[in-house]
Amino acid sequence: AQKITQTQPGMFVQEKEAVTLDCTYDTSDPSYGLFWYKQPSSGEMIFLIYQGSYDQQNATEGRYSLNFQKARKSANLVISASQLGDSAMYFCAMRETLTGNQFYFGTGTSLTVIP
Amino acid sequence: NAGVTQTPKFRILKIGQSMTLQCTQDMNHNYMYWYRQDPGMGLKLIYYSVGAGITDKGEVPNGYNVSRSTTEDFPLRLELAAPSQTSVYFCASSGGTGVQPQHFGDGTRLSIL
Repeated sequence: AQKITQTQPGMFVQEKEAVTLDCTYDTSDPSYGLFWYKQPSSGEMIFLIYQGSYDQQNATEGRYSLNFQKARKSANLVISASQLGDSAMYFCAMRETLTGNQFYFGTGTSLTVIP
Repeated sequence: NAGVTQTPKFRILKIGQSMTLQCTQDMNHNYMYWYRQDPGMGLKLIYYSVGAGITDKGEVPNGYNVSRSTTEDFPLRLELAAPSQTSVYFCASSGGTGVQPQHFGDGTRLSIL
């Protein structure tokens, strides 16, 4: 079974609108971390936001927030007030604490911000 | 702040040639990783290391070798380059707990012709 599933290959959003990128995960480890990365067309991988499995509140970093629903095993990324520079690939990833050796990545979602 | 440094940034190889992709990090991270990313695709783990002297295979190790003689360095060796190894290669490092993210280098764009 896939550890991380991103079901949206491509998304479009109007500039200044909010957008949600979906991510579901599969693990039996009670302790884990969830991460989102951005990959612009220039190619670098940029760490955006982190959510721990025991965190009570949803993580926020500026215009990025993580909608963490533990029972549903989902960790959706919400980008508020989209900007043209948000156009990029977005990858969801998980790290299980018990092993902690590997990061599991989803297949990514391509976001295009329309002016 | 150097972080994770990869060299070279670009390289063209002929079929059958060999080369080493260099990766060094200055964050004293125990965990280091090599990924490849084919056009329009996600990341595939080639090899990883949990500390100096320890390496392990990832999802796609065939055709590659690694070594980890120091905490800082994690070179990736391509032996007998093949066109299927044309890809972008990323090196990453992380701390040792589940709460710490990976930090990536800028990648090496490799073409095998």
